[in-house]
Amino acid sequence: QAGLTQPPSMSNDLGQTATLTCTGNNNNVGNEGASWLQQHQGHPPKLLSYRKNNRPSGVSQRFSASRSGNTASLTITGLQPDDEADYYCVAWDSTLSFWVFGGGTKLTV
Amino acid sequence: QEWLVESGGGSVKSGGSLRLSCGASGFRFGDYYMSWIRQAPGKGLEWISFITSSGTFTKYADSVMGRFTVSRDNAKNLLFLQMNNLRGDDTGVYYCARELDGIDVWGQGTTVSVSS
Repeated sequence: QAGLTQPPSMSNDLGQTATLTCTGNNNNVGNEGASWLQQHQGHPPKLLSYRKNNRPSGVSQRFSASRSGNTASLTITGLQPDDEADYYCVAWDSTLSFWVFGGGTKLTV
Repeated sequence: QEWLVESGGGSVKSGGSLRLSCGASGFRFGDYYMSWIRQAPGKGLEWISFITSSGTFTKYADSVMGRFTVSRDNAKNLLFLQMNNLRGDDTGVYYCARELDGIDVWGQGTTVSVSS
């Protein structure tokens, strides 16, 4: 079943800014946007942003989400060691009528 | 604080069955759609099923259609996943999750291991 496209890996330095991307189509990301999840090794995913790009309470302002057309982005500023994790995007596909995930981006800091 | 706690995972032979449970607390369980999502070892996240808030509508990924059944008991704040005819590629961590403008609350996961 179709999924969203994310680069498999990315590496950035401490204190720098990382921008992760997630590409879908008009039926998913381009329709209602994508939300972003962070997963540290051995832990469950944690929501970083809702589809409307707003953050849940408790999530650092260093994480911000946006969308342009069929591509969603997650920007992480002031990279810290604990930001090293896997990041997943997820969107509702209105044609398939279920959630589709990206393959995840492994961020190395 | 909103919590989801899965249980029922374990080791089973190919062709066997397991029933996963997910207990919810800290929110009005009956108001929310719920999903099951799994993660094979070293792999990404895969949505496998959702159920509407009342339980009247369900949907499944092709990979589990006809073998898995999702259900819920809103009076007891419980979500279930009955898994039959398990295969090796069903091995992984199974998460229950709440849907709200995305998938916002996740359990800690329960591990299913299917061997031949």
